[in-house]
Amino acid sequence: RKEVEQDPGPFNVPEGATVAFNCTYSNSASQSFFWYRQDCRKEPKLLMSVYSSGNEDGRFTAQLNRASQYISLLIRDSKLSDSATYLCVVNGNNYQLIWGAGTKLIIKP
Amino acid sequence: DTGVSQDPRHKITKRGQNVTFRCDPISEHNRLYWYRQTLGQGPEFLTYFQNEAQLEKSRLLSDRFSAERPKGSFSTLEIQRTEQGDSAMYLCASSRDTDGYTFGSGTRLTVV
Repeated sequence: RKEVEQDPGPFNVPEGATVAFNCTYSNSASQSFFWYRQDCRKEPKLLMSVYSSGNEDGRFTAQLNRASQYISLLIRDSKLSDSATYLCVVNGNNYQLIWGAGTKLIIKP
Repeated sequence: DTGVSQDPRHKITKRGQNVTFRCDPISEHNRLYWYRQTLGQGPEFLTYFQNEAQLEKSRLLSDRFSAERPKGSFSTLEIQRTEQGDSAMYLCASSRDTDGYTFGSGTRLTVV
């Protein structure tokens, strides 16, 4: 089993719709969680940190479920510019961050 | 520009040659990381520095790979005797303690 698992997608979503991704992690001791966005052939960029109490930033909401060991990302009123790959990141042992392979999102007009 | 910068952006090299990449992190960040990313995969951890100390090195890093951060500022990643399997995007990131990373634009290596 991979340490961080994501549905690779692609998720094809019409503009304006709401879309949600989940990510599961295996290390129950993990304390830090992040969502990154990566555009094609570009570097990953931090989208948001995920706190125990959840985190909302505009159209984006991240949630953490420790009992089931997953984090989620919800995008409301999706825009064409939201098309990207969304990477789930969880801290592992010894300072490392463990990366999922990413979920590809395609927003269609 | 106060972001993480990497040089070069692209490198094409012949199999068997040595290559060296440079990373300049955000100045106030004490942690520096090297990752490798291939198409369709998330970044894979290679190594990590806290200040000038190399604290962690992945099993992925064979003895052909070496990284340094001599003064706790910029870092170099050298690959000796490159192989075609080394072709990937090499990403450098920096952070302050356990905050989220800031990545550089990466160095895309192609070994022919």
